[in-house]
Amino acid sequence: SYELTQPLSVSVALGQTARITCAGNNFRSKSVHWYQQKSGQAPVLVIYRDSDRASGIPERFSGSNSGNTATLTLSGAQDGDEADYYCQVWDKNSDWVFGGGTRLTVL
Amino acid sequence: EVQLLESGGGLVQPGGSLRLSCAASGFTISTYGMSWVRQAPGKGLEWVSAISDRGGRTYYVDSVKGRFTISRDISNNTLYLQMDGLRVEDTAVYYCAREKTWSDVVYWLDPWGQGTRVTVSS
Repeated sequence: SYELTQPLSVSVALGQTARITCAGNNFRSKSVHWYQQKSGQAPVLVIYRDSDRASGIPERFSGSNSGNTATLTLSGAQDGDEADYYCQVWDKNSDWVFGGGTRLTVL
Repeated sequence: EVQLLESGGGLVQPGGSLRLSCAASGFTISTYGMSWVRQAPGKGLEWVSAISDRGGRTYYVDSVKGRFTISRDISNNTLYLQMDGLRVEDTAVYYCAREKTWSDVVYWLDPWGQGTRVTVSS
């Protein structure tokens, strides 16, 4: 089955740039999507199709896909950005696949 | 405004049944694929089941095949998940979500409902 690997946690200083990675095989043939889940809340779409920002998402959020690694970049991190972030792809053999999630801490 | 509102969660004993509902507003569920995704306590997201827009084809993760049934009532614009033979490991918050697609080869979920909690325990 297809798997996505994310770091368990990422820390970033207030106002600095955070990068959260998502590793998988053969990303060139897939699109990666990112969700933000704040404590006690439902997931919210942040980035779709590798780099498109979802409606209402600040420009501080951006995404990229470089082959075997996708990256969610958060510029100018704020306290309100603390959350769990999940990457996701759709695979014809495995259906919906989520990464294990990354806890972002803003210091 | 597009919204999804789940209901039907609760406490049930192992082997019991529950039916989750997801009422949609702001769009017609028959024109979109719909999915259920769950999150066990302290764990990540796990896709559970989906129903396609055209034809209503259904799909399930292996761990729930033969126990869970996804369906939809187009007249009520509501998605359902019938869960039978529940196990302790089915304990989770269950979210419904609308599928979005690009060229039928790329799929993502937006929006998500607020979730309904299912606890399987004796």
